[in-house]
Order: sequence, then C-alpha cells, then structure tokens
Amino acid sequence: DVKVTQSSRYLVKRTGEKVFLECVQDMDHENMFWYRQDPGLGLRLIYFSYDVKMKEKGDIPEGYSVSREKKERFSLILESASTNQTSMYLCASSSTHRGQENEQFFGPGTRLTVL
Amino acid sequence: GQSLEQPSEVTAVEGAIVQINCTYQTSGFYGLSWYQQHDGGAPTFLSYNALDGLEETGRFSSFLSRSDSYGYLLLQELQMKDSASYFCAVYNFNKFYFGSGTKLNVKP
Repeated sequence: DVKVTQSSRYLVKRTGEKVFLECVQDMDHENMFWYRQDPGLGLRLIYFSYDVKMKEKGDIPEGYSVSREKKERFSLILESASTNQTSMYLCASSSTHRGQENEQFFGPGTRLTVL
Repeated sequence: GQSLEQPSEVTAVEGAIVQINCTYQTSGFYGLSWYQQHDGGAPTFLSYNALDGLEETGRFSSFLSRSDSYGYLLLQELQMKDSASYFCAVYNFNKFYFGSGTKLNVKP
C-alpha cells in the first residue's frame, strides 16, 4: 500500500520557535510538495521539490524554507513561527512517469497551532 | 497566475445526482483533476481530464471543456459517505493549483 507519512498529526509551538515538519514517501516519487490548508482558501502551495536538493517556491513561500536531502524525505521549516502560520499542513508526492504524473498522494496532515 | 472558482457548498439528497462546477484561469494547462477530502482526512485523487469530454469512473464522472476553461464533477446515486469536500485542481508544469473546495452535504 503506497504511503505518505508525516511526523506529527498535531503540534503546538510558541511564537518565535523553529519548527520542523517531516514528510516521507515510500513510492520512489520524484516530486514532493508542501501545502497549507485553511478554511475557505483550499490548498495553497508553499514549496515544491522535483529532485533531491532541488526546490521551487510555490504561491506562499514567505516564512518557510524546505530541505530535500534524500529522495523519500521532504522537510518544511518554519524559521520563526508566527501565529498566522497556525494551519493544517499537507505533504504530497507524485510521479513523473508518463500517465502517472497527474495524481498526487497526500499524507494525513499536521495540524500546527502557534501560540 | 492561476485562479479556480467552484461553489462553496452544495446540498443534495441520497440517491440523487449532483454536479460540482469548476471554472479556471491559468497561464498554462495540462489537465484538470478532482480530489475528495472527508473531514479530518487527506485529499484523495478521484479523476483527471487531459482532453475535452467525459471520463467515467463508477458513480463519478468528470468533464472538461478546454475552450470554455470549465469542468465539472458529476456524482450519481449519491450515498451518505459522499458527504465530503471536493476540490478541482489544475495540473501545470509539475505543479497543482487547487480551488477552494466545495462542501457536499448529502441528506437522507
């Protein structure tokens, strides 16, 4: 069974803390994504990685950075957490193989609360 | 930029048919996807249209008109378990851009 896992389901942090969200996929996918999901706003792309050590900014990268040192692992880093980063964070992966590239597989999400 | 519009909420009764529309504006376009998300769950892939026309997968069908920048998801023989949020997403240069989602309420 294909899987995307995220390190925590729930996380509570204080303003100014450095926060690491980890995502691991076991499907040997080239592409990995981080989204945040807020009510009424849908899923907004924060960062995207198409290969190890490669990354591209999404629509809302401010306040975030990412790291992809291994193909299966994609980390989202909040350098200094702020209350407006309280949200649900979803990781996803997708293949680049022809005919499979249009489907994303999502992790269960991390609900982050910044106090 | 990318912009997708879909209704925020739709209500239908069990056994009925419901259509969820999606209009998009995008600078590039490979295809339109649909995802389902139950409360507290992760989005799961439902369908993808790269070409104009109807794609059918069981009770669910998805339609695309590239000339009208428009698509829809059709759910037939609605069941209570279909109560969820449904997102359309544009696939473009390895990235996906999502609409804000349509909450479907299925009533007995």
